Amino acid sequence: GENVEQHPSTLSVQEGDSAVIKCTYSDSASNYFPWYKQELGKGPQLIIDIRSNVGEKKDQRIAVTLNKTAKHFSLHITETQPEDSAVYFCAATSNSGYSTLTFGKGTMLLVSP
Amino acid sequence: GAGVSQTPSNKVTEKGKYVELRCDPISGHTALYWYRQSLGQGPEFLIYFQGTGAADDSGLPNDRFFAVRPEGSVSTLKIQRTERGDSAVYLCASSPGGGGRETQYFGPGTRLLVL
Repeated sequence: GENVEQHPSTLSVQEGDSAVIKCTYSDSASNYFPWYKQELGKGPQLIIDIRSNVGEKKDQRIAVTLNKTAKHFSLHITETQPEDSAVYFCAATSNSGYSTLTFGKGTMLLVSP
Repeated sequence: GAGVSQTPSNKVTEKGKYVELRCDPISGHTALYWYRQSLGQGPEFLIYFQGTGAADDSGLPNDRFFAVRPEGSVSTLKIQRTERGDSAVYLCASSPGGGGRETQYFGPGTRLLVL
């Protein structure tokens, strides 16, 4: 089955800096890669996703890149703000029929004012 | 519109007891997923419903776990003879049609503590 590795496990930045979280996956058939943000006591919330037919996607301060050859994808957050502090999860799915997700272990991002 | 809702938000039970966790998906979503999230970990897949049927239950850890979705909307996750290791956050998600590469929308979860 699919295996997703996520690094780093914790990341501390100053407000205004950029943050980068990286994930690798094992199944070359994987074709959908969402990123979720989870705040304390809440369920995961989708922030951005990318499908295997594109290499990069941007949404305001958030971007995701995908390298299918190397089987890794990354989340980039620019101009970080204290409200970006949360746990971020990457995920992958390789089943084209339906989307059961395999998640990484998460990155706790702390943005200091 | 309303998102995915889950009840109860918290459940404390004793080892050996039976528990039921409920999920109300987004109206009109035919696909429903259950995940389990242990402390400090990412969610792990348990079971996937397409309509009323369980299309994939390969993530259920053992036969103490069972889930139903009799009318293709609300789903109930049932755990028999609970064990302390079952303590976790149980998350439910739904998506419009269940097709590959489709966004899943998560509920807030039920925090289960087995004493």
